[in-house]
Parts: sequence; structure tokens; C-alpha cells
Amino acid sequence: EPEVTQTPSHQVTQMGQEVILHCVPISNHLYFYWYRQILGQKVEFLVSFYNNEISEKSEIFDDQFSVERPDGSNFTLKIRSTKLEDSAMYFCASSVSGATNEKLFFGSGTQLSVL
Amino acid sequence: AQKITQTQPGMFVQEKEAVTLDCTYDTSDPSYGLFWYKQPSSGEMIFLIYQGSYDQQNATEGRYSLNFQKARKSANLVISASQLGDSAMYFCAMREEVIQGAQKLVFGQGTRLTINP
Repeated sequence: EPEVTQTPSHQVTQMGQEVILHCVPISNHLYFYWYRQILGQKVEFLVSFYNNEISEKSEIFDDQFSVERPDGSNFTLKIRSTKLEDSAMYFCASSVSGATNEKLFFGSGTQLSVL
Repeated sequence: AQKITQTQPGMFVQEKEAVTLDCTYDTSDPSYGLFWYKQPSSGEMIFLIYQGSYDQQNATEGRYSLNFQKARKSANLVISASQLGDSAMYFCAMREEVIQGAQKLVFGQGTRLTINP
């Protein structure tokens, strides 16, 4: 079965450094998302992306965050200057459409640790 | 206010027994969708089942069924004949505000289910 692929599985970085998390969504999907899960807390929506632009973002997704689809297959999340509180599991997801019952396919996540 | 509430942080069940995982939600939107995802120790989030607010019947997917009680705003997941491989974290989620077709899911805290042999 096709799957969403995320790399790396673990990323350790120093506070203030830039990180880029990589995702390859399922090839025929048109909607892309990033979610994050701080240890012991809920999974939180960050951003959705469609037709090469952000369709919605949460309060968490401030100017330090950006997303990009640099080619036809990759979907990246960049954090410009990481903070300790950015440490979390980051999930990429994709869906075929934005239909109300459309299921999101999630990747295995990237565990980001900011030291 | 909590949008999605899962009151069971952990559940322990004997293999082959049925198990119900609770989920209540809060919304004033008449149109919404409810999802259940499974997160095994490997980390990925696996879609299990979906229930739309206007669906007349409870959703079923193999061993999974959703006990949807709209008036009570509950959407409990029922797993029949549990298996060792069902041990995982289970998340209830609600689709909120489909803007431009985007799926924005709000998740509950999750329930860790452990199946004992």
C-alpha cells in the first residue's frame, strides 16, 4: 500500500539552528499537512497546503515556520530558528481530496529534539 | 474548552475480548466528521474508521465499529475479538472547519490499549 515517507526519523539540533523536515506524500494526493505531538500531549494541527499555497495554519505556525513543495514529490517543513519548545514528533500527512470524509494518511513522524 | 475528550488514559483487555474506547466531542457545527486513528509503537498514525455527522448508520470497518450517539456527542470505538496486535495508542479526532477543502483535525489525548494474552 502506498505510504507517506518522512525523513529523518530522528533529528537533534541546537537551539537557534534551522531544521528542515522532509516528507514524500502519496503520489496522487493533492492536500498536504503537518501536525506535531509534544511528548505526552495531543496531536496538534500546524498547517495545510493545497495548490502550492497554505490553505490554513494554526497559531503555532508562526513566522519561524514555513512549508514548501520544491518539486513534484517532496513537501518540507522548515523551522528557521529552533526553540526548546519545538521539541516534538512532527507528522506529515496527505489526502486525495478535502472531502469531509477523506482520510488522512500519516507518515511515521520525525522526532525533533532541540537542545 | 476541550473539543475532543478521551477519558481513558489506559485500558487493559484480555485477548479475544471486545473493548470500547470512549470519545466525546464538543462542537456547534452541524456538519462534522469523527475519525479514529491507531498509533502503534512504530509511531505512524493509521486510519481506522470515520463517522460523518449526517450518517444515519454507525460506521463499521471489519473488527472496528463506531458507536455514534449524536445527542450525547459521543463516538466510541468498539474493537471486537481483540488481538495482541491491537495494542497501541488510539486517538479520536474531529474534523473542524473545512476551509477550502482542507482537513483540519482536532485530536483527543489518546487511550493506550494493551491486549494481554
